[in-house]
Amino acid sequence: AQSVSQHNHHVILSEAASLELGCNYSYGGTVNLFWYVQYPGQHLQLLLKYFSGDPLVKGIKGFEAEFIKSKFSFNLRKPSVQWSDTAEYFCAVNPGGSYIPTFGRGTSLIVHP
Amino acid sequence: SQTIHQWPATLVQPVGSPLSLECTVEGTSNPNLYWYRQAAGRGLQLLFYSVGIGQISSEVPQNLSASRPQDRQFILSSKKLLLSDSGFYLCAWSVPRGQHYNEQFFGPGTRLTVL
Repeated sequence: AQSVSQHNHHVILSEAASLELGCNYSYGGTVNLFWYVQYPGQHLQLLLKYFSGDPLVKGIKGFEAEFIKSKFSFNLRKPSVQWSDTAEYFCAVNPGGSYIPTFGRGTSLIVHP
Repeated sequence: SQTIHQWPATLVQPVGSPLSLECTVEGTSNPNLYWYRQAAGRGLQLLFYSVGIGQISSEVPQNLSASRPQDRQFILSSKKLLLSDSGFYLCAWSVPRGQHYNEQFFGPGTRLTVL
């Protein structure tokens, strides 16, 4: 069975610091990749997604992620975080053609003002 | 536009009591529907999914069951709740094709406490 690993479970940063959250998956074929975010008290929502094409994907609120096929990775980045980025972040992977996603365990990000 | 509703938002039930959580989707037809349980530090655990009316697939054997009596209605049930059923339950939907293929749209969730 495929798996998704998010290596950082808890991250604490100060405002303006750079962010990189790791995501690795175990599936060897074509994949659809997603990052979701859950702000305090809000629904889980899509941050960005990769299906094909340019491996550098830009999402909402200045986030981006890079798909590196050789490393089975889809790391999330933001050059300068804000206090409002405090949230839980989930990486998810769908094998190509499947509508069943596998989610990582999530990373809790706290940004201090 | 599409919306997803879940109710109730919170629920406190005694051990051994029945459970019924409801999820409805508006603004789309024939969605794929999902029930997840979210536990702190453990991510999202897929419980059930459905690709059509009356079609339910279970991912994890447990004390829960699901039903899809209508195209945009998904129900999570239990005949007798256990303490271990406590958690945060999320309903989600996705489309099987098109621009938003495989993107999951989540509801607000139900916080269930079993005492």
